[in-house]
Amino acid sequence: GQSLEQPSEVTAVEGAIVQINCTYQTSGFYGLSWYQQHDGGAPTFLSYNALDGLEETGRFSSFLSRSDSYGYLLLQELQMKDSASYFCAVSPSGSARQLTFGSGTQLTVLP
Amino acid sequence: DAGVIQSPRHEVTEMGQEVTLRCKPISGHNSLFWYRQTMMRGLELLIYFNNNVPIDDSGMPEDRFSAKMPNASFSTLKIQPSEPRDSAVYFCASSLVGGSNTIYFGEGSWLTVV
Repeated sequence: GQSLEQPSEVTAVEGAIVQINCTYQTSGFYGLSWYQQHDGGAPTFLSYNALDGLEETGRFSSFLSRSDSYGYLLLQELQMKDSASYFCAVSPSGSARQLTFGSGTQLTVLP
Repeated sequence: DAGVIQSPRHEVTEMGQEVTLRCKPISGHNSLFWYRQTMMRGLELLIYFNNNVPIDDSGMPEDRFSAKMPNASFSTLKIQPSEPRDSAVYFCASSLVGGSNTIYFGEGSWLTVV
């Protein structure tokens, strides 16, 4: 099976940088994804890492260390609209899209 | 392009009634997923289909739940009989095998069983 650990809540101020960590235990591993979900909305894809290292997409970056079973999402130049839940998710070997989600991190951005 | 379309968006039903949730995936996508989200259990994968064939239904909680995908553009998730503990948001999602590693979620069906 798979299990993921991420902080339940993070608070930061506008313009700051915040890092949301995710550690995982899986019987097989294909990649680590990050999704954003605003209250009452659909989860939306942010990033995906299959290989070690940093992937950058605008203000958001994601990092993966397969040897440490660890990844993080880095959000820079925080904006109020970034207040949302952020989920890490793992794909078991052989299926990049059959995702198991973490419990989510509620990010609150303060003015 | 239209995204994943789910109906109904909200449903309130009485315990014991049958509930049918519907999903239209993004045109051209060949994988479809049903997820359930609750405060206690988070986002759980219930079942997924590839090319209309159920691949893994190990997440379906019990026999009261069933899912079908009669064609590439339509899927249903049925709960019969419904119970209060089934109250949750049910998300349908789709993706393209061989494409990017993105799955696209619908807006969800908010189910309340009283």
